[in-house]
Amino acid sequence: QQQVKQSPQSLIVQKGGISIINCAYENTAFDYFPWYQQFPGKGPALLIAIRPDVSEKKEGRFTISFNKSAKQFSLHIMDSQPGDSATYFCAATSPNTGNQFYFGTGTSLTVIP
Amino acid sequence: EPEVTQTPSHQVTQMGQEVILRCVPISNHLYFYWYRQILGQKVEFLVSFYNNEISEKSEIFDDQFSVERPDGSNFTLKIRSTKLEDSAMYFCASSEWGQPQHFGDGTRLSIL
Repeated sequence: QQQVKQSPQSLIVQKGGISIINCAYENTAFDYFPWYQQFPGKGPALLIAIRPDVSEKKEGRFTISFNKSAKQFSLHIMDSQPGDSATYFCAATSPNTGNQFYFGTGTSLTVIP
Repeated sequence: EPEVTQTPSHQVTQMGQEVILRCVPISNHLYFYWYRQILGQKVEFLVSFYNNEISEKSEIFDDQFSVERPDGSNFTLKIRSTKLEDSAMYFCASSEWGQPQHFGDGTRLSIL
């Protein structure tokens, strides 16, 4: 059972554009939704995270939008830069699952100059 | 900034051999995890560990796998008899309860 579904699989965006990656989850017990950024040869690095008590969280150029009723959340990267080119994973977890993270399948983002 | 360190960065092993992957979690973290990422695929949970015992494990984590915290700093993943399909990146992570997990840069395991 795929707990977290992520789309698109790959994304190409012009420099300065907005990158949008979407995730949907099944388990209503999930209460923490992080986004991780992964560069080749590196481990996933926490980018930004949200809990379901808010609908949006912004940190610099990165924003998470959260829709609890639809069980969806998305990452928006404003003013995308070539240095943002990486693979992005959404994840979800809850204390009921032993704090294990359920990852989405990843989105390969390419920002072209 | 403290980080999770993993060794070796690349391990090549013959099929059927035992392999031990090592991790040094962030020093004040109490929760430890192993994940696997097959090339080009998503990160998959293997096992979580707290208070010297396994908290959760996935169906991937069968009897061929074991974890250990042999001393106050190291956290190891052992695969007893490796199979070709064990070839993957293995990531260690650590956290405080309810806080984000911090990942190491992984060990690339290649089974020949």
